[in-house]
Amino acid sequence: GAVVSQHPSRVICKSGTSVKIECRSLDFQATTMFWYRQFPKKSLMLMATSNEGSKATYEQGVEKDKFLINHASLTLSTLTVTSAHPEDSSFYICSASGTGGQPQHFGDGTRLSIL
Amino acid sequence: GNSVTQMEGPVTLSEEAFLTINCTYTATGYPSLFWYVQYPGEGLQLLLKATKADDKGSNKGFEATYRKETTSFHLEKGSVQVSDSAVYFCALSSRGNEKLTFGTGTRLTIIP
Repeated sequence: GAVVSQHPSRVICKSGTSVKIECRSLDFQATTMFWYRQFPKKSLMLMATSNEGSKATYEQGVEKDKFLINHASLTLSTLTVTSAHPEDSSFYICSASGTGGQPQHFGDGTRLSIL
Repeated sequence: GNSVTQMEGPVTLSEEAFLTINCTYTATGYPSLFWYVQYPGEGLQLLLKATKADDKGSNKGFEATYRKETTSFHLEKGSVQVSDSAVYFCALSSRGNEKLTFGTGTRLTIIP
């Protein structure tokens, strides 16, 4: 079945550092990718939707300059958490879907811990 | 706007017990409904889905029926196994919109 690879799976870094998370679709062309944030014991919160070659659409309340999203190709999207602070610590999950209303396929998530 | 409400966990059952996880939704029009499963340390996997009223989604012994009259999509399994231990998310998407709205998730633990 469709596979989405997310890297890294875990990152720990100091406050003020920028962190990049990659999301790759390994066996299909992902026209749309989604980035979610999952708080402990909470559901997934959609942060933004990105379409290949165009700017991401951010959900209300999500800072564009804080969470930079790039979807430069049909197989890769990146999320960069700029100048991360402890409150940005969370589990970030990407998903990807192809054309024709295909369901979203999820990566395994990235646990980000900011000290 | 769209919303999904599912029963709070955690839920603990003995192996071979009957499982029900309730899910109700609020949405305009005719959404598609999904159940996703998240095993420890992993991302979400699509478990089953239904795209119109009275459809029944099924997979791995799990079933859920799209009930428009009660706006529900309850997940059921007749005999659970230890390997079913995971977090289960109910979700919906509106017609023509790929965005998923998730419930809060229900953690299920099956004990031998």
